[in-house]
Order: sequence, then C-alpha cells, then structure tokens
Amino acid sequence: GESVGLHLPTLSVQEGDNSIINCAYSNSASDYFIWYKQESGKGPQFIIDIRSNMDKRQGQRVTVLLNKTVKHLSLQIAATQPGDSAVYFCAENPMGDYKLSFGAGTTVTVRA
Amino acid sequence: EPEVTQTPSHQVTQMGQEVILRCVPISNHLYFYWYRQILGQKVEFLVSFYNNEISEKSEIFDDQFSVERPDGSNFTLKIRSTKLEDSAMYFCASSLTGPSNGYTFGSGTRLTVV
Repeated sequence: GESVGLHLPTLSVQEGDNSIINCAYSNSASDYFIWYKQESGKGPQFIIDIRSNMDKRQGQRVTVLLNKTVKHLSLQIAATQPGDSAVYFCAENPMGDYKLSFGAGTTVTVRA
Repeated sequence: EPEVTQTPSHQVTQMGQEVILRCVPISNHLYFYWYRQILGQKVEFLVSFYNNEISEKSEIFDDQFSVERPDGSNFTLKIRSTKLEDSAMYFCASSLTGPSNGYTFGSGTRLTVV
C-alpha cells in the first residue's frame, strides 16, 4: 500500500505487504529528518532518521528516502505487521535549530 | 532504556484554573522541550529550554505559559489561566545535545479543560 501524492491522512495495507508513507517538508534549511511512530495514547517513538547529505537510509524493516530537490521524504515499511498500525509523522529540523517541525501524520491500518 | 516520565497522565481542570504539568527528563540530557498535540492534529512545538532559560518558543507559548526546572530532575510547564482551547496532549522531550542526539518524548499528559 502507498499514500499517493504528497500526503494522505490514512493508509490501509494488507498484512505482509509493503507500506510507503510520503511526506513533504517545507524548509529548505532543514538538514535532519526523522520518522516517528505514535500509538494510541503514547508519545512519538523514533523509527529512523536521515541527514540531508544522504538520500537513503535503511533500518530493520524500514527505509527512509530523501529527495531534496522536491523536498520529499518517504518511509517504506517492509512486510507490514499488525503491530505497525499507528500514526506516522515525519519531522524536520533546520540546521542549528533545536525544535522539530512535524508533518500532519498518516494513520496506517494493517488488515489481517 | 532511559525514558522521559510525565505526570499526571490525564488532568481535568476548570477553565480559568492554573495547571502544572510535570516531566522528568532523561538524567544526563541537557535540552528540554514541550510540545502539544490537539486531538487529531499534528504535534506542535511550544518551547525549548537549556541552561536554565528558554532558548526558543513558538507563537503558541504566550504569557499564559511558563516553564521551570525547579530542581535537578523535574521540568514543568505551567498554564496560568486555562482556556478550553488548551485541551490537548502535552509532550515533554529531552535530548543530550540537539535533535540528532537522543531526542526522546514522554508518553504525554492529556489535559482536558472544562
């Protein structure tokens, strides 16, 4: 399953399929990006990050892609599991700044 | 694994009352933050705190808000006279240096103003 275009608020994906969540960021000065997972009633949990000098970074079952030309970030989750159901946020951090600016979030629902 | 602890998990208050939200950041962290999330919306930055002073604040963080690190372990957010629109989840976060070094969020306090 894939969220088409820049952002969709919800994504439904079959268990075992791959998920792609997209995010557009706004600040050209941002040089650090993070994907967070938020489960109901909990705070944002770090998934993976990437710096602007990279265009791809892989973790366990997750990959982040960064396209600075169009200011686009994506998160790919391989073999999506029921435990992946959550809201996913991208966040950007401008160089020299200490705050994170969050995107609107995508709710991922995994169908059994 | 070290974590950021927030209390209470849920606070209900009357409009116009003062509330204090409490956070215990990770012990060796130096930077502290408050964020809020109105139901169904994105997480928004409120304030960052370093070396016992505010280093940055957003437009949301007006004169009704204040932060304090009263001792070596707690970090508090005070809202002096709560309004209905202050109802939200409030998240505390801390980091060792900047966002790329151990930036960790707590589980949040749900504030309901009635």
